[in-house]
Amino acid sequence: DSGVTQTPKHLITATGQRVTLRCSPRSGDLSVYWYQQSLDQGLQFLIQYYNGEERAKGNILERFSAQQFPDLHSELNLSSLELGDSALYFCASSVAPGGQYEQYFGPGTRLTVT
Amino acid sequence: KNEVEQSPQNLTAQEGEFITINCSYSVGISALHWLQQHPGGGIVSLFMLSSGKKKHGRLIATINIQEKHSSLHITASHPRDSAVYICVVNTGTASKLTFGTGTRLQVTL
Repeated sequence: DSGVTQTPKHLITATGQRVTLRCSPRSGDLSVYWYQQSLDQGLQFLIQYYNGEERAKGNILERFSAQQFPDLHSELNLSSLELGDSALYFCASSVAPGGQYEQYFGPGTRLTVT
Repeated sequence: KNEVEQSPQNLTAQEGEFITINCSYSVGISALHWLQQHPGGGIVSLFMLSSGKKKHGRLIATINIQEKHSSLHITASHPRDSAVYICVVNTGTASKLTFGTGTRLQVTL
């Protein structure tokens, strides 16, 4: 158990809908990362937050947004969903930003868009 | 060409064999990570390297910054090592992370 929790575990929704994925980092970790893993794309970095502020952006679509709240949990909002958004979404946390800190991964949320 | 290349893509080994997975990258990095993704999907961070070599149990990771290359070795492989191994590089101060395509390892009895 990494100490990172993600909810929900599974989510099935229809095209055009909006969903929110939630992540609670390990106790003491200030940085949260979001990743998308689709069948044809592998793992991709979406966005990183540190202590409530956006720190780095990867291949995140404009239809997607995220935020980190004062209690350090983070939410990833996906809107106008398309079939291609079906993927595993992982959250990871680390004590601080920067590649020199180990990341701890949550179990992931499996999103299926029908 | 991807910024991070892994080889081989797929690897089948017999229990007890010594395994090497390679990762080459084409950009300057501040750190390199090796991740293990189990068949159920869970991801575990194995190593974070910025230089030299690290060992944890039967796993050894090395990095050569000049050659832009890292290797992950598994000694005395076991079926429970069957997983996808992913190389990730961290570039620059913006914490940009780039993933390799992964190496799928199957260890048989």
